[in-house]
Amino acid sequence: EVQLLESGGGLVKPGGCLRLSCAASGFTFSRYNMNWVRQAPGKGLEWVSSISSGSGYIYYADSVKGRFTISRDNAQNSLYLQMNSLRAEDTAVYYCATWFGELPYSDHWGQGALVTVSS
Amino acid sequence: EIVLTQSPANLSLSPGERATLSCRASQSISTYLAWYQQKPGQAPRLLIYDASSGATGTPARFSGSGSGTDFTLTISSLEPEDSAVYYCQQRGSWPPLTFGGGTKLEIK
Repeated sequence: EVQLLESGGGLVKPGGCLRLSCAASGFTFSRYNMNWVRQAPGKGLEWVSSISSGSGYIYYADSVKGRFTISRDNAQNSLYLQMNSLRAEDTAVYYCATWFGELPYSDHWGQGALVTVSS
Repeated sequence: EIVLTQSPANLSLSPGERATLSCRASQSISTYLAWYQQKPGQAPRLLIYDASSGATGTPARFSGSGSGTDFTLTISSLEPEDSAVYYCQQRGSWPPLTFGGGTKLEIK
């Protein structure tokens, strides 16, 4: 069974940083491209970043470019999101998700990690 | 950036009725559109990919159609468990991947 488990969320002050992790199990992680998608409280879904299986391709939403860094460790079956210079508008539940095969739709999702940016 | 506009924002229907949800793209995206279902407190679930193909486990009452800029998710006969927010997402021109604002479906 595919499982994705996010961790590392929490409360951080504006300008602070946080690193989210996503532990993958139940599938061959190294073969899958991955997404981070976020959802602000009571709001819709927003794509944040994507990374290819071998880290050769990386994309970001303009809203996080230059502040967030996606990475992965295939030996550890883990996906990461380093978030710097956090702003109040980054407050959201952050989900990691697998691509749907070769297509950049989000197929299997984690349960989400809540990041709250507030003073 | 491709903007996706979903309508209606809210929909209230009875069990057994047919639901029709719309997603309109700001420019043509061929058939590169997906639909997701999200229930309160849960992660979204992929229902339909590339406009009309059902993802694994999607019940037969869910179907998708459309191409270019206009897309539809149809639920042929509503069940109480279909109460959720439904989102569309495009991959026709990315990055960025973009989502619609969602349609909240209530089953009376």
